Amino acid sequence: KAGVTQTPRYLIKTRGQQVTLSCSPISGHRSVSWYQQTPGQGLQFLFEYFSETQRNKGNFPGRFSGRQFSNSRSEMNVSTLELGDSALYLCASSLGVSNQPQHFGDGTRLSIL
Amino acid sequence: AQKITQTQPGMFVQEKEAVTLDCTYDTSDQSYGLFWYKQPSSGEMIFLIYQGSYDEQNATEGRYSLNFQKARKSANLVISASQLGDSAMYFCAMRGTNTGNQFYFGTGTSLTVIP
Repeated sequence: KAGVTQTPRYLIKTRGQQVTLSCSPISGHRSVSWYQQTPGQGLQFLFEYFSETQRNKGNFPGRFSGRQFSNSRSEMNVSTLELGDSALYLCASSLGVSNQPQHFGDGTRLSIL
Repeated sequence: AQKITQTQPGMFVQEKEAVTLDCTYDTSDQSYGLFWYKQPSSGEMIFLIYQGSYDEQNATEGRYSLNFQKARKSANLVISASQLGDSAMYFCAMRGTNTGNQFYFGTGTSLTVIP
């Protein structure tokens, strides 16, 4: 069974640009969550999508947005990039019920110059 | 509100020894799940072990076991016979049915196995 696939693995952008990250979940998983991980702030929850609807949302500005398609693939968009957006962005998929773990992709490492 | 606390920022253990990583949680949910993840320096998050709030037995997966004390709201991870490859960050996480099934993660513990 294929795991969670995130593309691209690495990305370099400049301030003010926008970026779109992609996540393909494990087949059959309807829940996709996004996290931002930095050395200073640790692992922070961005949002979760379940069956194309945003089910949960973390405390991030509106520059961070996401969506989920009918095949459960998800994209995350960050507009007007800031230096502080440099981070590892992790996507995780699950069946979406409390006794099931999330399975993570390898992440996209975003660097802002 | 849901909260996961990991009070040990860094731990050291001798190879082949056992080590316990602490995790306490706070929740108003009656039904919830507790999870542990491992993150090596390469960055990927690896699921290790799960414990349900209604499970009476402590979960075990190979060298990993979860010491679940519901009344104390603790879910400590025990790694037996540590190996050099166990050096990594370890995250405790919780997911509750009454909180939209969102995952809450602790701040992590960095484990270093010494040869």
